[in-house]
Amino acid sequence: GQQVQQSPASLVLQEGENAELQCNFSSTATQLQWFYQSPGGSLVSLLSNPSGTKHTGRLTSTTVTKERRSSLHISSSQTTDSGTYLCAIDITGNTGKLIFGLGTTLQVQP
Amino acid sequence: GGIITQTPKFLIGQEGQKLTLKCQQNFNHDTMYWYRQDSGKGLRLIYYSITENDLQKGDLSEGYDASREKKSSFSLTVTSAQKNEMAVFLCASSRGNTLYFGAGTRLSVL
Repeated sequence: GQQVQQSPASLVLQEGENAELQCNFSSTATQLQWFYQSPGGSLVSLLSNPSGTKHTGRLTSTTVTKERRSSLHISSSQTTDSGTYLCAIDITGNTGKLIFGLGTTLQVQP
Repeated sequence: GGIITQTPKFLIGQEGQKLTLKCQQNFNHDTMYWYRQDSGKGLRLIYYSITENDLQKGDLSEGYDASREKKSSFSLTVTSAQKNEMAVFLCASSRGNTLYFGAGTRLSVL
C-alpha cells in the first residue's frame, strides 16, 4: 500500500479562503518535506518539517511525529496557489531518498 | 542561486530504443537523484549518487542505467523503451535535507 497518503485528493477554493492539506505516513520519518508542483512545472520545496510547527509566509506546517501525520495550512489562498502539493518523507536517515504521496491538487478560483 | 537543467524537455522514442536523459546542476551539490513521475503513482526513485562516480539503485532501477562522471552532471539511460510508455523524469540535487528539482523530461514511446 501507499506509505504516504495525502488528503483530500483535490480541493477547490474561492480566493481568500484557507486550505488545509493532510499527510499521513506509515513509517517513522526522519525527514518530511512539502513540495509544490505547478501545472506542467518542476517541484519546489516549500517546507522541511520533520516535527513541530513551521511557518513561511502564508504557509504553516504542523507535524506530529508520534502520530505519523503532517498538515499544510495555506491562509488567504490566491489563484497563483493553484497546483499540486506533495508530501514526502525520508525513512532512511536523511539520505534524501524520499517517498512521495500522490498529492493534493488545489484549484483556487477568482 | 543555482539551477538544475534537464535535457531534452521532451523525448519521443520507439519501442526497444535506448534513450538517454541528461541533468546538469550548478549548485555544487554532492548528491543527485533521478525520479520518475507517473500519473496516479507519484514519484519513485530510480537512481541516486552521493558523489562523482558513485551510483546507488532506487526502488525502480530495473530497466535503467545511470552515470555520474562529473559532480555537476547525472545522466539516466532507458535501456529499452517500452511501447506506449509515458512518464516524466525528474532530476534533483541536494545538500542536507532539501531537494532541488529540475523541470523534467517528458517521455513518450510510440
